[in-house]
Amino acid sequence: AQRVTQPEKLLSVFKGAPVELKCNYSYSGSPELFWYVQYSRQRLQLLLRHISRESIKGFTADLNKGETSFHLKKPFAQEEDSAMYYCALSRYSSASKIIFGSGTRLSIRP
Amino acid sequence: DGGITQSPKYLFRKEGQNVTLSCEQNLNHDAMYWYRQDPGQGLRLIYYSQIVNDFQKGDIAEGYSVSREKKESFPLTVTSAQKNPTAFYLCASSIGSGIRETQYFGPGTRLLVL
Repeated sequence: AQRVTQPEKLLSVFKGAPVELKCNYSYSGSPELFWYVQYSRQRLQLLLRHISRESIKGFTADLNKGETSFHLKKPFAQEEDSAMYYCALSRYSSASKIIFGSGTRLSIRP
Repeated sequence: DGGITQSPKYLFRKEGQNVTLSCEQNLNHDAMYWYRQDPGQGLRLIYYSQIVNDFQKGDIAEGYSVSREKKESFPLTVTSAQKNPTAFYLCASSIGSGIRETQYFGPGTRLLVL
């Protein structure tokens, strides 16, 4: 069964400290992985996708097929990073749909 | 912001009542989705539609119904059969498919039971 697991409901780190939000997935095919973010009072929006291999707002995520993980990382946390983060998986098929993890709330302490 | 609108922002339902949540998009996207967001459970897919006049059940479709008569509109009806409807409902539309799919979300509707 396809599944996305985010083991941490809440992650609290100090400003300037490194951040790692964990995401593991279960999928037999070739998945497309995403990170979505929801800032306070804003809409849920795409942060980054693994195929683009990009860094957005200082965040990066590497797909590790051996460990079936797609952890989100940032070397130095900023207060504006506080938000709800969702890892998501899209099946590589013509009838694709995106499956979301349960989310991790990131809180950056000053 | 913009592109996908949901109304109303808050909706109150009485016991035994059906209520309909509106979702409209002007992005010319083929696919549209309805999710339910509960604390600690993330987003769960209720229904999705890849094209007009076609829709598929998601993971938690029981107690809900949808229609897709127009490309721009994908209303969700919460029926009296849904015993725990209190939640935040998100509508999304997407462009592309598979590895190129990106979903765009509306602002959400919070449904409360009186």
